[in-house]
Amino acid sequence: AQSVTQPDIHITVSEGASLELRCNYSYGATPYLFWYVQSPGQGLQLLLKYFSGDTLVQGIKGFEAEFKRSQSSFNLRKPSVHWSDAAEYFCAVGLDKIIFGKGTRLHILP
Amino acid sequence: GAVVSQHPSWVICKSGTSVKIECRSLDFQATTMFWYRQFPKQSLMLMATSNEGSKATYEQGVEKDKFLINHASLTLSTLTVTSAHPEDSSFYICSACPDRGTYEQYFGPGTRLTVT
Repeated sequence: AQSVTQPDIHITVSEGASLELRCNYSYGATPYLFWYVQSPGQGLQLLLKYFSGDTLVQGIKGFEAEFKRSQSSFNLRKPSVHWSDAAEYFCAVGLDKIIFGKGTRLHILP
Repeated sequence: GAVVSQHPSWVICKSGTSVKIECRSLDFQATTMFWYRQFPKQSLMLMATSNEGSKATYEQGVEKDKFLINHASLTLSTLTVTSAHPEDSSFYICSACPDRGTYEQYFGPGTRLTVT
């Protein structure tokens, strides 16, 4: 069955600290991979995507993600978080239809 | 670029009435739009795929007679919740796909529906 797992429901990091949000997927083939961010009252914004090629993908707002085929993972990273990064983050995978993970809520400590 | 709007942003209706939600791609054409439902603190669940000029494809468990989808043009899809009940209260989000080859979707800001 196709699925996306974000094992961390909540993550709290201090401002300026590094961040890694985990995402694992189960899919019949290598799907397209996405990370979205959802801030209160706003729509989902695409941070980055992976279709093929270089497995380290650079996105907006200083985020990057690495696709690891052997681990079926697509973890999101940021070297130094800002208070404005506090939001809900969704990993998504798919081809003609996208499946979303349950999300990870990121809290930032001042 | 790639802006998707939804209207209304929030709506309150009485049980038994119908509500229409519009999803528009403002600066691109989208042959395919998607409708999602998001419960509080949960993920997005795909309800249906809306294709311009043809019938929508509904996901398993979604009542097509309750959630009517019309994709009348390349920039507009509508979701009508018919005979709404309190359990239909939710956050409805649409997305539009400008290029099926990349499967990249652009999301609207969502519509909060409350049925009293």
